Amino acid sequence: AQSVTQLGSHVSVSEGALVLLRCNYSSSVPPYLFWYVQYPNQGLQLLLKYTTGATLVKGINGFEAEFKKSETSFHLTKPSAHMSDAAEYFCAVSARLYGNKLVFGAGTILRVKS
Amino acid sequence: DGGITQSPKYLFRKEGQNVTLSCEQNLNHDAMYWYRQDPGQGLRLIYYSQIVNDFQKGDIAEGYSVSREKKESFPLTVTSAQKNPTAFYLCASRTGEAYGYTFGSGTRLTVV
Repeated sequence: AQSVTQLGSHVSVSEGALVLLRCNYSSSVPPYLFWYVQYPNQGLQLLLKYTTGATLVKGINGFEAEFKKSETSFHLTKPSAHMSDAAEYFCAVSARLYGNKLVFGAGTILRVKS
Repeated sequence: DGGITQSPKYLFRKEGQNVTLSCEQNLNHDAMYWYRQDPGQGLRLIYYSQIVNDFQKGDIAEGYSVSREKKESFPLTVTSAQKNPTAFYLCASRTGEAYGYTFGSGTRLTVV
């Protein structure tokens, strides 16, 4: 089975500060890992994904994440927060063995203070 | 533009009624999914379909039903057996195993 744990249901940063959203996963097989963003009353938009290859992946809007197999982590970072980054962020895992179904974490709400 | 269309955006249901949420995609994706979202719980899988005329239960299928008669369409029926249907429902589709899902904009269902 697979599972995702997102540490911190709410994270608050100042505009211009580093954004760090934590994600740890559990998977008995090599995982595919994803980060999504959701604005209020909207669907989810893919920020970035890790499948194979380079462990540092870059996504849209200046976000990036690093796959660390030894730590079973896939933390999301952005060097400088912008007010428009305020949203809810979801980490998700899937694998071919499990029918490529996405399993989501509970989400982290990011607040950006001016 | 290709995408997923969910309708209606807001839906109100009286207790004891069945309601159907629409999901249509023009992305030519084979797999389609229904998720339920509740505050603080992330997204939970209700049903999914890998091909036309076939679908499987997800983690919380009780009280829901689906059909997949066309590749483009995957409607979800919330039946009266679903005891707590008030939630935000998201439809998604996927092509290829290493690709992320494409999501619709969601339907917010409220029991009145």
